[in-house]
Amino acid sequence: EVQLLESGGGLVQPGESLRLSCTAPRFTLSNYAVSWVRQAPGKGLEWVSTLGTWSDDQHYADSVKGRFTISRDKSKNTVYLQMNGLRVEDTAVFYCAKGRGPNYPESRTFDSWGQGTLVTVSS
Amino acid sequence: IQLTQSPSSLSASVGDRVTITCRASQGISSDLVWYQKKSGKAPNLLIYAASTLQSGVPSRFSGSGSGTDFTLTISSLQPEDFATYYCQQLNSFPLIFGGGTKVEIK
Repeated sequence: EVQLLESGGGLVQPGESLRLSCTAPRFTLSNYAVSWVRQAPGKGLEWVSTLGTWSDDQHYADSVKGRFTISRDKSKNTVYLQMNGLRVEDTAVFYCAKGRGPNYPESRTFDSWGQGTLVTVSS
Repeated sequence: IQLTQSPSSLSASVGDRVTITCRASQGISSDLVWYQKKSGKAPNLLIYAASTLQSGVPSRFSGSGSGTDFTLTISSLQPEDFATYYCQQLNSFPLIFGGGTKVEIK
């Protein structure tokens, strides 16, 4: 059962920006750590970023550090992934995923996922 | 921390016992989970804390191991189990997934 909903994917040119959104109709996202995981075409899963229950608890993969920013808007029950300076190699389906709980290790175990949103970076 | 999954693919028949291994480059205690991924679908959590079955997952799935060596076992492969399986370490950031094991029909 898909419990998270992503949006914001699309086709952009290299260097451009996109903002992905992740919302949860049935629970309060701010009570959990939320992560973004991507899968490039024909490749495996790659962890991108995690936002803990505290806004300053952010973690990024080296491949996106300095270009992507994760954040949340509690009033909208939404987590965002702001992606700047997109590269061809960022082309992937991006999934948001919820941790089993707010703290380690549950926060890093993903028990609910969205259906994914496709980001294509091409000139 | 790197994770090495093996095999990268396997062919098996319905009813077979299937074993997938995941080796960590350094000790990660029991901080390992397993997911099932079908094409076009979101990943599904099968096992957490190396050996605990996620609620709703059939009991034919089991996990074992600690430290650096982990195993996912499917005791009797069913048609709906043909998919790709990933391990993931959660001991420290960056979180890492194994390369995946594709289970195909023989």
